[in-house]
Amino acid sequence: QVQLQESGPGLVTPSETLSLTCTVSGYSISSAYFWGWFRQPPGKGLEWIGSIYHSGSTYYNPSLKSRVTISMDTSKNQFSLNLNSVTAADTAFYFCTRGISSPGAAGLWGQGTLVTVSS
Amino acid sequence: ENVLTQSPGTLSLSPGERATLSCRASESVAFNYLAWFQQKPGQAPRLLIYGASTRDTGIPDRFSASGSGTDFTLTISRLEPEDFAVYYCQQYGTSSYTFGQGTKLEIK
Repeated sequence: QVQLQESGPGLVTPSETLSLTCTVSGYSISSAYFWGWFRQPPGKGLEWIGSIYHSGSTYYNPSLKSRVTISMDTSKNQFSLNLNSVTAADTAFYFCTRGISSPGAAGLWGQGTLVTVSS
Repeated sequence: ENVLTQSPGTLSLSPGERATLSCRASESVAFNYLAWFQQKPGQAPRLLIYGASTRDTGIPDRFSASGSGTDFTLTISRLEPEDFAVYYCQQYGTSSYTFGQGTKLEIK
């Protein structure tokens, strides 16, 4: 059974970098699929942040592209999100996902983690 | 970007009734890459439908969906207590892979 689990700090200081890792169990991330990140501010809707293909190609939401980096570590079977220069508007639940067909597809989701941006 | 508008915002129904949720896109959805998700409080979204009309593995057949181009519909034939949740549509055909604002399905 494939599972995704997000991890990282729950509190980030404004202007700093938000860093999250998604650990995948039950499937090798280098084999196939798009591995993505989505977010959802508390009580609000969903937004695609970006994705990395199993080959290493990356795709980013144009609205966040200047601040986002997604990478993968196949030796640990993990992929990561870095979002720099954060503000309170980046406070959200962050989800990692697995998808097929396109960078925005998300058939399997992690449970999500809340990241609060505050001093 | 392709803006998705869901209606109604809130739908109040009783168990056993039929629910019809709408999702309208501002532009034609490429490849008919339209998905429907169910989200319960404190949980991640769960994929119900992909490719506009294909149920994901394990999704009960009381969930069905149709549509193409810019107009899409999710139907729940007979509501079960566990179906009351928020439903989102998403187009994953064109960046930035946008979502609708959601329809809250609540118990009447």
